Amino acid sequence: GENVEQHPSTLSVQEGDSAVIKCTYSDSASNYFPWYKQELGKRPQLIIDIRSNVGEKKDQRIAVTLNKTAKHFSLHITETQPEDSAVYFCAAKLTGTASKLTFGTGTRLQVTL
Amino acid sequence: GAGVSQSPRYKVAKRGQDVALRCDPISGHVSLFWYQQALGQGPEFLTYFQNEAQLDKSGLPSDRFFAERPEGSVSTLKIQRTQQEDSAVYLCASSLKVAATYEQYFGPGTRLTVT
Repeated sequence: GENVEQHPSTLSVQEGDSAVIKCTYSDSASNYFPWYKQELGKRPQLIIDIRSNVGEKKDQRIAVTLNKTAKHFSLHITETQPEDSAVYFCAAKLTGTASKLTFGTGTRLQVTL
Repeated sequence: GAGVSQSPRYKVAKRGQDVALRCDPISGHVSLFWYQQALGQGPEFLTYFQNEAQLDKSGLPSDRFFAERPEGSVSTLKIQRTQQEDSAVYLCASSLKVAATYEQYFGPGTRLTVT
């Protein structure tokens, strides 16, 4: 089955700096890669996703890049703000209609003033 | 509109007790997923429903875990004879359609503590 690795496990940046979180996946048949933000005690919420026919996607301060050859994808947050502090999870989904998300182990992002 | 809801939000069970966790997906969503999230970890897949059909239960950790969605809407995850290792947050997610690239919307989860 699919295996997703995520790094780093913790990341501390100063407000205004950029943050980058990286994930690798094992199954080349994966074709959908969402990123979820989870605040303490809250539900995971989708912040951005990318499909395998696209190399990069951007939404305001958030961007995701995908390298299918290397089987890795990254989340980039620019101009970080304190409210960006949370745990971020990457995930991968295999091609097919009834396939579940396989999540990474999460990155705890702390944005300091 | 209303999002995915789950009840109870918190459940404390003594080891050996049976528990039932409920998920109300977004109305009209065809796909429903259950995930288990241990402390400090990412969610791990348990089972998947397409309408009332349970199409994948490969993630259920043992035969003590059972899930159903009899009318294709509300789903219940049941754990029999709970063990301490069952302590986790159980997340339910729903998706509008069957296609693999549709967003999954998560509920707030049920935090189960087995003492």
